[in-house]
Amino acid sequence: AQSVTQPDIHITVSEGASLELRCNYSYGATPYLFWYVQSPGQGLQLLLKYFSGDTLVQGIKGFEAEFKRSQSSFNLRKPSVHWSDAAEYFCAVGSAGSARQLTFGSGTQLTVLP
Amino acid sequence: DARVTQTPRDKVTEMGQEVTMRCQPILGHNTVFWYRQTMKQGLELLAYFRNRAPLDDSGMPKDRFSAEMPDATLATLKIQPSEPRDSAVYFCASGLGLLYNEQFFGPGTRLTVL
Repeated sequence: AQSVTQPDIHITVSEGASLELRCNYSYGATPYLFWYVQSPGQGLQLLLKYFSGDTLVQGIKGFEAEFKRSQSSFNLRKPSVHWSDAAEYFCAVGSAGSARQLTFGSGTQLTVLP
Repeated sequence: DARVTQTPRDKVTEMGQEVTMRCQPILGHNTVFWYRQTMKQGLELLAYFRNRAPLDDSGMPKDRFSAEMPDATLATLKIQPSEPRDSAVYFCASGLGLLYNEQFFGPGTRLTVL
C-alpha cells in the first residue's frame, strides 16, 4: 500500500528566508506526486505535480519540488518565503491502479515571521 | 474559471438530525471524491465515484453515511443520524480520472454537530 510521510508537523521561517518541506513516500511503482496548499478556511489548491521526466518541477507561487527516487523523496522548496505563504502544505501520492486515489500526508503547518 | 462548488459552506445541527452536503464537480470531470478533515485524523477519503458509479466507499461509516451522484453535475453526502463525532470539514474534489490523479478541491463544508 502506498503511504506518505511528512516528518515536520510545524515549521517556522522568517519572511525572505528559504524554505524546504520534506516529503517521503512509499509506493511500489513510479509514483505520481503532488503538493497541495491549504490556506485557513479554504480547500486544497494544487501547487505542483510530478508524473515523469525532469525530476525538478516548477509550480505556482514560486514553488518547486525535486523528485529523488533513490531517497523516495519529493521535497518542496521556495527560495524566498512571503508572509502570504503561511498555510498548511500537503504532499500526496497517486496510485496508477484502477482506484486513482490520492494518499495524503499529515501536513506541515508553515508559519512565517515578519 | 472552473471550480468545484460545495453547499452549504457551514452547517450547525443537533445530534440526530439529517445532514445533506452537496457538491457540483467541474464540468467534464468524471471522478468525484469525498474527504473528511479533522485535526485528529487529517484528510480521510470517504468515498469515490467514477462516471457516477461508486467505486470505493470503504472509508465511510455505512450505518449512517451515504453518498450518491444523482447526475453528473451533483454529488451528495448524507449523514443520518448525525453525531457530534461527525463534526469536521467535508471536502469534495473532482478530476478527470486519468492516470495523473490530479484532483480539484472545493472550499469544503464545515459541519458542527451539537
